[in-house]
Amino acid sequence: DAGVTQSPTHLIKTRGQQVTLRCSPKSGHDTVSWYQQALGQGPQFIFQYYEEEERQRGNFPDRFSGHQFPNYSSELNVNALLLGDSALYLCASSFKDRDITPLHFGNGTRLTVT
Amino acid sequence: AQSVTQPDIHITVSEGASLELRCNYSYGATPYLFWYVQSPGQGLQLLLKYFSGDTLVQGIKGFEAEFKRSQSSFNLRKPSVHWSDAAEYFCAVRNSGNTPLVFGKGTRLSVIA
Repeated sequence: DAGVTQSPTHLIKTRGQQVTLRCSPKSGHDTVSWYQQALGQGPQFIFQYYEEEERQRGNFPDRFSGHQFPNYSSELNVNALLLGDSALYLCASSFKDRDITPLHFGNGTRLTVT
Repeated sequence: AQSVTQPDIHITVSEGASLELRCNYSYGATPYLFWYVQSPGQGLQLLLKYFSGDTLVQGIKGFEAEFKRSQSSFNLRKPSVHWSDAAEYFCAVRNSGNTPLVFGKGTRLSVIA
């Protein structure tokens, strides 16, 4: 049973560029959430996708956008990259209709903006 | 708004010693509480969770946590620490309705011989 998988594992981009990160949820899960974890900090919620729509959003600018596909996989897009966007980006999956489902996390994508 | 406080940024314990990591939360109703562990360069692994019922919950790797409503706390404990327990530990809270997790800033655990 595959867990949450993310790609790529590492990425280096230049300020102003755009980046796309990918996530496949744990088998059977239908909800995907994205978190940003800056160095030395706890993860911060970016947004959550269910039924191919953004359902909830944290305090992140519109430069951060996403998408969910019919197979429940998801992408996180960040435009006009800033140095402060350097972080570990974590994807997590769960069941939408099971209120007590804990999140299952992937190993993350380490994004470095130079 | 919900918040989580982990007062200890870094803790060092000797192998075989007991461990307690502190977590306090701010939330009006009974929250759903979680502890996750993160090894360097890795994602988050769920150690244990509390939703309702018995306030002492058992998790994986010999960890346990106790929910104390009167103190708004959910401290993580382990009676005997192993060197492999060295990692970053995060406490997290959310309410019902599949709402987002709110994390603390984490406590880094170092284990010495």
